[in-house]
Amino acid sequence: EIVLTQSPATLPLSPGERATLSCGASQSVPSSYLAWYQQKPGLAPRLLIYDASNRDTGIPDRFSGSGSGTDFTLTISRLEPEDFAVYYCQQYGSSPLTFGGGTKVEIK
Amino acid sequence: EVQLENSGGGLVQPGGSLRLSCAASGFTFSDYWMTWVRQAPGKGLEWVANIKQDGSEKYYVDSVKGRFTISRDNAKNSLYLQMNSLRAGDTAVYYCSRGATAWKNWGQGTLVTVSS
Repeated sequence: EIVLTQSPATLPLSPGERATLSCGASQSVPSSYLAWYQQKPGLAPRLLIYDASNRDTGIPDRFSGSGSGTDFTLTISRLEPEDFAVYYCQQYGSSPLTFGGGTKVEIK
Repeated sequence: EVQLENSGGGLVQPGGSLRLSCAASGFTFSDYWMTWVRQAPGKGLEWVANIKQDGSEKYYVDSVKGRFTISRDNAKNSLYLQMNSLRAGDTAVYYCSRGATAWKNWGQGTLVTVSS
């Protein structure tokens, strides 16, 4: 099983700042099959990035994903008020499919 | 528009059973793998099970193997999760989602509470 570790657990930032979220894998994620989701309280997750670096349809270009192998990053170039939420990485290259524990981006 | 409507959650005693449903619309249901994902209160996301388009392949997370059964009825555009021998640790919001990998479309979730 591929274990995903997200850091930091909490990221206090102000609107307009840059957010850098990390996702480390216990072993290489095949074919960079890694996704990023945003989740707000009481709602289902929202797909942001798939295949490590591809933005899903309708996702603003301030969101970008990068990385390969065991190290992946989600970057939000300039935080908007609606971006404060919890973010999860997920790998789908190896069964069982697994998620990271999440990073909460909160208002500083 | 793709829509997934979850239902069937509720309060059940330990050892009990529950059947969750997911009604799909807005796409050709029989063309897609389907998945169940759960989230315990205040916790992260966990993949539970998925099923191939024709139901011929099914996969489960180890913690539910032998207790949960995923199934589908393509004629009714519906996905199911039969949950038996429920435990307190199964308490979660259960979401259905479209696809087998990165999930763009999700249901609204249905809460399952296992408690005496």
